[in-house]
Amino acid sequence: GESVGLHLPTLSVQEGDNSIINCAYSNSASDYFIWYKQESGKGPQFIIDIRSNMDKRQGQRVTVLLNKTVKHLSLQIAATQPGDSAVYFCAETEGTGNQFYFGTGTSLTVIP
Amino acid sequence: DTGVSQDPRHKITKRGQNVTFRCDPISEHNRLYWYRQTLGQGPEFLTYFQNEAQLEKSRLLSDRFSAERPKGSFSTLEIQRTEQGDSAMYLCASSSDPGTGGTEAFFGQGTRLTVV
Repeated sequence: GESVGLHLPTLSVQEGDNSIINCAYSNSASDYFIWYKQESGKGPQFIIDIRSNMDKRQGQRVTVLLNKTVKHLSLQIAATQPGDSAVYFCAETEGTGNQFYFGTGTSLTVIP
Repeated sequence: DTGVSQDPRHKITKRGQNVTFRCDPISEHNRLYWYRQTLGQGPEFLTYFQNEAQLEKSRLLSDRFSAERPKGSFSTLEIQRTEQGDSAMYLCASSSDPGTGGTEAFFGQGTRLTVV
């Protein structure tokens, strides 16, 4: 089956610094990717997505970068805030999105 | 419509009992997904509906698990003869068809099942 993994299981950053969360995927046919944020006891919350015909997409304080050559995805959070503390998952799917594959997640802790 | 709604939020049951969870998706979404998540892991796909048709099931979905979406709106997930290994967070998500816009799946808050 597909393998979606994250390089770092935990990440601690100072409030106000930028955060970078990385994700590797193994299915070269995957063409749609999503970053989710999950707070304790809650369901995953959509942050930003990107299709394989793009290599960068920006949202409010977040940027997703996609490198299809090395099958790598990253999430950049600018000016990290305490409310950003959560577990972040990348998810991938192929084609019509019948099934999303999730990585293990990276736990982000923001130090005030 | 404020998003995907799941009921109950928490369920404690004795081993061997049957449980049923309900999911109400975002109203205009015709795709509905069930996922299972254990502590420290990402969500694992269980099954997927396009309207009322169940189009895909994971091998994780044993014969004790059954999901329905009778009218293409809400869905139920039933687990029969629960086992302790069924303890997990059960997540429901919904999305639109790719041709009608974004394919992003929006998740509910989940149902936390504890089998004792």
